[in-house]
Amino acid sequence: DGGITQSPKYLFRKEGQNVTLSCEQNLNHDAMYWYRQDPGQGLRLIYYSQIVNDFQKGDIAEGYSVSREKKESFPLTVTSAQKNPTAFYLCASSRTGTGIEKLFFGSGTQLSVL
Amino acid sequence: RKEVEQDPGPFNVPEGATVAFNCTYSNSASQSFFWYRQDCRKEPKLLMSVYSSGNEDGRFTAQLNRASQYISLLIRDSKLSDSATYLCVVIGPNTGRRALTFGSGTRLQVQP
Repeated sequence: DGGITQSPKYLFRKEGQNVTLSCEQNLNHDAMYWYRQDPGQGLRLIYYSQIVNDFQKGDIAEGYSVSREKKESFPLTVTSAQKNPTAFYLCASSRTGTGIEKLFFGSGTQLSVL
Repeated sequence: RKEVEQDPGPFNVPEGATVAFNCTYSNSASQSFFWYRQDCRKEPKLLMSVYSSGNEDGRFTAQLNRASQYISLLIRDSKLSDSATYLCVVIGPNTGRRALTFGSGTRLQVQP
């Protein structure tokens, strides 16, 4: 079945540590996105990529980094510069990034700080 | 003023009740509107698009009021399984995904 797979489901980060969240899709979608959700809040865009080897900052990119070396994969690294990383992280994809299309979401990763 | 605003709730209603949520948006040039449903600590799932003329899908009715800049979601005959957070999504006039804005969600709790 086609879909988006995020891993791990739960992740703990120590102070000063970088951690990487995985996002893989087999939908052959061009566009992929990372969102952050805090309790009682909507989704805020961290980074997005409309094509392989290209990505753009979203509204809250500071303290995060991404890569898009393969169409299927869009990993997110939460760096030590992100001082308040505890949140629910959602990866999404769409067929292209230029139209008004349905977003397909992964099941999310809950990141907490030890 | 936030770009997209929703009453956070929670809305506590008995089974069988009719409940309505509103979502206001600030950019009058916004083009497209959607309602997503999100269960606790799960991914959002598209519930329905919102068309200018209003649209219905079973017990769910979505409406758009461009003059007052809000969209609404009406749920009839509420079921226990309708308990969730409902997010409105507004797509602005700019192209690309940066123009997509999520509301903070309205929580619905349907009680037996």
